[in-house]
Amino acid sequence: DQQVKQNSPSLSVQEGRISILNCDYTNSMFDYFLWYKKYPAEGPTFLISISSIKDKNEDGRFTVFLNKSAKHLSLHIVPSQPGDSAVYFCAARAPAWDKIIFGKGTRLHILP
Amino acid sequence: DVKVTQSSRYLVKRTGEKVFLECVQDMDHENMFWYRQDPGLGLRLIYFSYDVKMKEKGDIPEGYSVSREKKERFSLILESASTNQTSMYLCATTSGFGYTFGSGTRLTVV
Repeated sequence: DQQVKQNSPSLSVQEGRISILNCDYTNSMFDYFLWYKKYPAEGPTFLISISSIKDKNEDGRFTVFLNKSAKHLSLHIVPSQPGDSAVYFCAARAPAWDKIIFGKGTRLHILP
Repeated sequence: DVKVTQSSRYLVKRTGEKVFLECVQDMDHENMFWYRQDPGLGLRLIYFSYDVKMKEKGDIPEGYSVSREKKERFSLILESASTNQTSMYLCATTSGFGYTFGSGTRLTVV
């Protein structure tokens, strides 16, 4: 049973517009959430994270929102740029866990 | 910055061969992980290790084994490679909240 779900396998967004990537989770014990970005033939790289005690974290063009009651988080990229075309993985961790649970990823295409 | 080095970027192996994928980290982290990434399936955990000589099965350990003789090195072994093990293999390490990944090894089994 998937504990971290990314229901959109792919997303296309016009350059300059806002990209919104969504993620749902089922385990209320998760206390830390992360987003990773992955280009083809490279390992994933950390993008942004949020603790469960917050509802928003911002880093430049990237903002992550957390809605604990809905068990939902989203990554906003604004404005979207061509270099943002990649696969984005949502991930979550529970206290005392040393491993992270990943979603299946969303492929983001930024259109010129 | 933590560096995680995977010895090969691309490998082509024959069915039935024994394959070793090596991963080395330079930050003295205790926890190391092996994942494989396949389109539509995301990142799936194969094995992980909390310390030297310790190993734990992940979600898809069948057909794989691991070795952790030194803290900095975590090896993934395909005992007898099969075509369904063609994949992107990713090593990762963590000291706490997030993972640092290696660049990955694209393995093709023919």
